[in-house]
Amino acid sequence: DAGVTQSPTHLIKTRGQHVTLRCSPISGHKSVSWYQQVLGQGPQFIFQYYEKEERGRGNFPDRFSARQFPNYSSELNVNALLLGDSALYLCASSLGSSNQPQHFGDGTRLSIL
Amino acid sequence: ELKVEQNPLFLSMQEGKNYTIYCNYSTTSDRLYWYRQDPGKSLESLFVLLSNGAVKQEGRLMASLDTKARLSTLHITAAVHDLSATYFCAGYLQGAQKLVFGQGTRLTINP
Repeated sequence: DAGVTQSPTHLIKTRGQHVTLRCSPISGHKSVSWYQQVLGQGPQFIFQYYEKEERGRGNFPDRFSARQFPNYSSELNVNALLLGDSALYLCASSLGSSNQPQHFGDGTRLSIL
Repeated sequence: ELKVEQNPLFLSMQEGKNYTIYCNYSTTSDRLYWYRQDPGKSLESLFVLLSNGAVKQEGRLMASLDTKARLSTLHITAAVHDLSATYFCAGYLQGAQKLVFGQGTRLTINP
């Protein structure tokens, strides 16, 4: 079975641009979460979606937004990119029940010039 | 607000030795996870600990949870080079539907 897939794998943008990152969860998983991992640090929670509804939001500015589609795939959008947005963006999916681990994709490495 | 702290942050050890990584968390967490991350790679789920006194083992790794002390440990037995990686613990907040990660422990195992 395919794991969590993310696209693109790498992306280079300049300050002020916007970016859309995509995530397809494991088949049957209805919950998708997004995390930002800056080099040398642990991942930081951005959003969680379950059944197409936002269920959790981390301490990120309004420039960050996301949505989940009927097939449970998800997009993360970031507007007005800043140098500090350079990071590995990880998507995780789970069944949504309380005791199941979140399975992470390989991430999208975003570099801002 | 849940805060998760790991120590040590860096650990260099020889093959065949035993060592423990500690994970302290500040408030009640619904469950505790351990993940492994290799350089440039994503996170691999190792253990999910659900209740006080929970102990799980996989190969040379064993994780435990003490909810009263708000402490989880990851014990490495007779380390081998293949275990070199960064290990993260993470608490889970059911209400906020999010994982809160520690800073990670970068483990290097030397021959």
